[in-house]
Amino acid sequence: AQKVTQAQTEISVVEKEDVTLDCVYETRDTTYYLFWYKQPPSGELVFLIRRNSFDEQNEISGRYSWNFQKSTSSFNFTITASQVVDSAVYFCALMLTSGTYKYIFGTGTRLKVLA
Amino acid sequence: DSGVTQTPKHLITATGQRVTLRCSPRSGDLSVYWYQQSLDQGLQFLIQYYNGEERAKGNILERFSAQQFPDLHSELNLSSLELGDSALYFCASSPPSGETQYFGPGTRLLVL
Repeated sequence: AQKVTQAQTEISVVEKEDVTLDCVYETRDTTYYLFWYKQPPSGELVFLIRRNSFDEQNEISGRYSWNFQKSTSSFNFTITASQVVDSAVYFCALMLTSGTYKYIFGTGTRLKVLA
Repeated sequence: DSGVTQTPKHLITATGQRVTLRCSPRSGDLSVYWYQQSLDQGLQFLIQYYNGEERAKGNILERFSAQQFPDLHSELNLSSLELGDSALYFCASSPPSGETQYFGPGTRLLVL
């Protein structure tokens, strides 16, 4: 079965703290893509990253970093020195392209960054 | 502003009706994606078009259909609407590399 689990429903941190959002996925496919999206309180969706299953290099973009570990089927997202503007719901997703196309979203983690 | 436009922003209609949602991608983007976000189902991928052709199909109901026109804008048609179709419908576009997606502001559909 294919599945994406974001076990943290809601996280609250104080500004400038680092925070990691967990994403665990399940698939038997060897080729797949992983994604993170951000949905601020205003409601729009923002694409953050796409990673394919053959690229296990960690990614850093400013204060954002992603840790992809195939061994634990995880694709975790860390925000360093969090800011109030990081407050949002963050979604992890898994895309499978072999055979039947599937695009599976996690249920999201609501991050609240307090000033 | 992502450069992706969606119309209308809001839509209120009755059960059994049919509506059309429209999406214009960013200039140069060939792919258009449709997503549905509802309280019950969460975020779901519906369908993707690439340069006028259907590329991938997700959890799209048979009552729903989509197309991408030669000018690359896309329309999502929802028919025989049910209460459960009330949701936010997002469109996104991506360049040929597919490395990123740009989302429109969404269309909020309320079926009464």
